[in-house]
Amino acid sequence: DVKVTQSSRYLVKRTGEKVFLECVQDMDHENMFWYRQDPGLGLRLIYFSYDVKMKEKGDIPEGYSVSREKKERFSLILESASTNQTSMYLCASSLVTGGAGSSTEAFFGQGTRLTVV
Amino acid sequence: AQKITQTQPGMFVQEKEAVTLDCTYDTSDQSYGLFWYKQPSSGEMIFLIYQGSYDEQNATEGRYSLNFQKARKSANLVISASQLGDSAMYFCARLTAALLGADTGRRALTFGSGTRLQVQP
Repeated sequence: DVKVTQSSRYLVKRTGEKVFLECVQDMDHENMFWYRQDPGLGLRLIYFSYDVKMKEKGDIPEGYSVSREKKERFSLILESASTNQTSMYLCASSLVTGGAGSSTEAFFGQGTRLTVV
Repeated sequence: AQKITQTQPGMFVQEKEAVTLDCTYDTSDQSYGLFWYKQPSSGEMIFLIYQGSYDEQNATEGRYSLNFQKARKSANLVISASQLGDSAMYFCARLTAALLGADTGRRALTFGSGTRLQVQP
């Protein structure tokens, strides 16, 4: 059974704290993603990694950074948490695809609901 | 950014009836893929169905089918014979153009804002 596992289901942090959200996949996927989900906005891509130590900014990278030291692990870092980063965070992984028409689906973790107080 | 638009924030359907969830998209790509995901209240994202832009036939997966109209840039999800367990958020998504401008596997899904479907007994 394929698995993407996020380290925490619920997290409460204080404003200004450095926050680490961890994601591990056991499918040997090259691509890993961090999304943020807010009501009425759907899922928005924060960062994307297509290989170890490689990363690309998504649509809303401000206030976030990422780390991918091993293929199976992709970490999202909030350098100094703020209340507007209170949200649901979803990690996903997928195989490298041959083109934009590929049917390769993304597999998602169960999500981390982060509250910044 | 190339947008995905889901115009129905919420939908109601009677059990056993069919329902259509709308999705339109922007694109300048010739080749692209469209996906539908279901998110129950538990929060996990469940892949439902895929349509490739060059597929001549509409995709079907059990009770799910995709009404793909390429010229209109729409990819509506049709759920037949609705069940109570179909109550969930539904997201339309497509693979964006390569983030680095090269045709590699470096692609990510762009999502719509979602439609909350409630199936009534």
